[in-house]
Amino acid sequence: DTEVTQTPKHLVMGMTNKKSLKCEQHMGHRAMYWYKQKAKKPPELMFVYSYEKLSINESVPSRFSPECPNSSLLNLHLHALQPEDSALYLCASSQYRDSNQPQHFGDGTRLSIL
Amino acid sequence: AQKVTQAQTEISVVEKEDVTLDCVYETRDTTYYLFWYKQPPSGELVFLIRRNSFDEQNEISGRYSWNFQKSTSSFNFTITASQVVDSAVYFCALRGGTSYGKLTFGQGTILTVHP
Repeated sequence: DTEVTQTPKHLVMGMTNKKSLKCEQHMGHRAMYWYKQKAKKPPELMFVYSYEKLSINESVPSRFSPECPNSSLLNLHLHALQPEDSALYLCASSQYRDSNQPQHFGDGTRLSIL
Repeated sequence: AQKVTQAQTEISVVEKEDVTLDCVYETRDTTYYLFWYKQPPSGELVFLIRRNSFDEQNEISGRYSWNFQKSTSSFNFTITASQVVDSAVYFCALRGGTSYGKLTFGQGTILTVHP
């Protein structure tokens, strides 16, 4: 079982809906990440949080809004998404952003935009 | 700039065959970290191994082994006596010492092991 938990597993939403993806880890990690993965492609980094502060935003459209309420939780708020945003969204965590330790990934949320 | 190249898009083998997945990387960082991840159909990326740039020791873990060669900028992964459960997408990834946590992934190799 993965130590990074993502909910929901699947999400179908319309282009005008607002929804949120949730990610939780209890490994005491201080860095958390959001990735987007399209079919048959590698994950693409979206955001990096370090000590609950946004460290990297890879020029992600504003319809994606990350939030890190505490060191264990990471949310991704979605609003007015486009069909091309349909993808697998992966959350990951690591001990520290700049350590040599690996990132541990969750199972992901499969998002479909109608 | 960092780059990871996995030249093999897809590999198909029969059970019990040995298979090697190639990974070549580029970075200007003198300190960097290399990783292999496995992604089964369920979607989760499973961490397999990390190698630091200053540690060129090869490693064996059960049926898995890794060959890190700094001189050729390669970090290849061999599965000995493959099994159907090894079928997955395998990603090689690089994190530079100055990349602020950003992982650069290769395009992935789809491995299919037939019974």
